[in-house]
Amino acid sequence: EAGVAQSPRYKIIEKRQSVAFWCNPISGHATLYWYQQILGQGPKLLIQFQNNGVVDDSQLPKDRFSAERLKGVDSTLKIQPAKLEDSAVYLCASSLRTGRMGQGEQYFGPGTRLTVT
Amino acid sequence: GIQVEQSPPDLILQEGANSTLRCNFSDSVNNLQWFHQNPWGQLINLFYIPSGTKQNGRLSATTVATERYSLLYISSSQTTDSGVYFCAVEPSDSGGSNYKLTFGKGTLLTVNP
Repeated sequence: EAGVAQSPRYKIIEKRQSVAFWCNPISGHATLYWYQQILGQGPKLLIQFQNNGVVDDSQLPKDRFSAERLKGVDSTLKIQPAKLEDSAVYLCASSLRTGRMGQGEQYFGPGTRLTVT
Repeated sequence: GIQVEQSPPDLILQEGANSTLRCNFSDSVNNLQWFHQNPWGQLINLFYIPSGTKQNGRLSATTVATERYSLLYISSSQTTDSGVYFCAVEPSDSGGSNYKLTFGKGTLLTVNP
C-alpha cells in the first residue's frame, strides 16, 4: 500500500514570495491533515479536511496561508506572501477516520522542508 | 487544551542498552500514537495505543489511560534507533469531528556504537 506522498521535498524561497505544497493521501483515507513543524518542536496542526470539507482551520494564519482539497483526494497548501518565521517542515497526514467512525491512526508523509530567506 | 509532556527530553545510550520513554497527558484520550522521527524528518508510526500493551520486535508500549500516561520501551538499542520519539494524543472531548493530534515536545535519543 502506497503511503502519503508529498512534493516538493525541499524548497528555498525569499520572503514575500509565494510557495505551494502538494499532498496525496493514502487511498481511501477520508481525513487529511496539514501540520507545521518548527525545528525543535512537535508538529502543530494547521488544517484538517474531511473529504473536501474543512473541519478545523483554527490554527491556520489565514492572512497568508490557504489550503484546498478539491474532489476529496489531493490537497495543496499555499503560503503567500512568505515570512521568515514560516521556515519549517510542512507535514501532510491522513487517516481512515470519518466522523466518529473508523480508526483514527494518522499516517504521515515525508514532509516538505521550507526555508525562507 | 490537552497538555502532553514527554520525558526525558534527551537520552544518550550505548548500543545494546535498554530504555524507557514516558508520555504524560492531562486529559482522557481517544487516540495515542508513538512516532519515531528519523534524521530525514520522516515520522514513522510505531504504535497506535489508546490503551493496553503492544509489542513490535524490540519495541513495546503500554498506555494506562486511567492514570494518563504511556511508556515506550526500547530493548537492545541499535544506532538506527537514534532520532526523536514523539507521543501524540487526541483528546476524548474533541467536539464534532475535530480529531487532531496534539504532540509532545519529543525525546531525542542518541545511540552510540
